[in-house]
Amino acid sequence: GENVEQHPSTLSVQEGDSAVIKCTYSDSASNYFPWYKQELGKGPQLIIDIRSNVGEKKDQRIAVTLNKTAKHFSLHITETQPEDSAVYFCAATYNNAGNMLTFGGGTRLMVKP
Amino acid sequence: GAVVSQHPSRVICKSGTSVKIECRSLDFQATTMFWYRQFPKQSLMLMATSNEGSKATYEQGVEKDKFLINHASLTLSTLTVTSAHPEDSSFYICSAPQTGANEKLFFGSGTQLSVL
Repeated sequence: GENVEQHPSTLSVQEGDSAVIKCTYSDSASNYFPWYKQELGKGPQLIIDIRSNVGEKKDQRIAVTLNKTAKHFSLHITETQPEDSAVYFCAATYNNAGNMLTFGGGTRLMVKP
Repeated sequence: GAVVSQHPSRVICKSGTSVKIECRSLDFQATTMFWYRQFPKQSLMLMATSNEGSKATYEQGVEKDKFLINHASLTLSTLTVTSAHPEDSSFYICSAPQTGANEKLFFGSGTQLSVL
């Protein structure tokens, strides 16, 4: 089955700096890679996703890159703000179905003002 | 994005009682919904897949008699924790896929269950 590894487990940055979170996956058949942001005591919120037919996708301060050959994908947050502080999860699946989503272990991002 | 509503957000109950958690897809229909359990500082663990009109599919190690799932309609799934015990205390989260050409999975806001 699919295995997703996420690094780092914790990340502390100064407000205004960039943050990068990296994930690797094992199943070359995976073709959908969402990223979720989870604030304390809340459910995960989909913030951006990418499918295997593109290598990069951007939405304002958030971007995701995908390297299918190396089987890794990354989340980039620029101009970080304190409200970006949360736990971020990457995930991978090959058929879009939620029961086949394999999650990474999560990254706790702390943005210091 | 699509909205998945989950209630209650927090519940405290005595040991031995049953607790029902509701998950609703507000602006789309979902023939399938998913229930997860999350321990502090850990990732999400899939418990079961809720199927409208048929039995739920449980992941290995999840007791189906302990965690009853009912998918009553195309917009509602419920999880009932029966005869709850302190070890059932956890954060429970539901999700529903918004199907289409580019299917996406949306999560509810979660339910913090504390069993005394």
